Amino acid sequence: EPEVTQTPSHQVTQMGQEVILRCVPISNHLYFYWYRQILGQKVEFLVSFYNNEISEKSEIFDDQFSVERPDGSNFTLKIRSTKLEDSAMYFCASSDGGGSDTQYFGPGTRLTVL
Amino acid sequence: QKEVEQNSGPLSVPEGAIASLNCTYSDRVSQSFFWYRQYSGKSPELIMSIYSNGDKEDGRFTAQLNKASQYVSLLIRDSQPSDSATYLCAVRINAGGTSYGKLTFGQGTILTVHP
Repeated sequence: EPEVTQTPSHQVTQMGQEVILRCVPISNHLYFYWYRQILGQKVEFLVSFYNNEISEKSEIFDDQFSVERPDGSNFTLKIRSTKLEDSAMYFCASSDGGGSDTQYFGPGTRLTVL
Repeated sequence: QKEVEQNSGPLSVPEGAIASLNCTYSDRVSQSFFWYRQYSGKSPELIMSIYSNGDKEDGRFTAQLNKASQYVSLLIRDSQPSDSATYLCAVRINAGGTSYGKLTFGQGTILTVHP
């Protein structure tokens, strides 16, 4: 069964460093999303991406964040200068945008900022 | 503020019982409703989606939607210890009739099924 994959599973970084989180969405899906979940809190939407551009972003997704689809398979989230409060699980999701709007989530990347 | 509210629990039920999980949402234009299950340290896993008022059954799971009351629920019949997890209610607003868009999640209800 097709699934969303994410790498790395765990990323540890120093405050102020740049990190890139990688995702491979399900192959025939057209819509891509990033969510984050701070430990013990709810899952929060960051950004959605369609047709090589951002379609919606939350107020969390400030200038420190960017997304890119560098090739036909990968979808990345970059945090330019990490802060302690960026420590969270980051989930990538995708949906096919056809008859179903169901979003399928990847396993997540745990980001720890020291 | 548009929100999704769930009773955080924990909800504890004995094995074999029915677990009832509830969710309310504030935005009346919400159109798509989802229940996800999340085990500790793992990602949300889709259980069911529901779009129309009424009940939708899938195996041991039944989702119920009442748009007039802005209420969606999930019933788990014959609960098993393996059902112990956090259950997330998520809502999507179909802006402009599109089939994509952000999900707004509730804080989740922790369910414990004890043998």
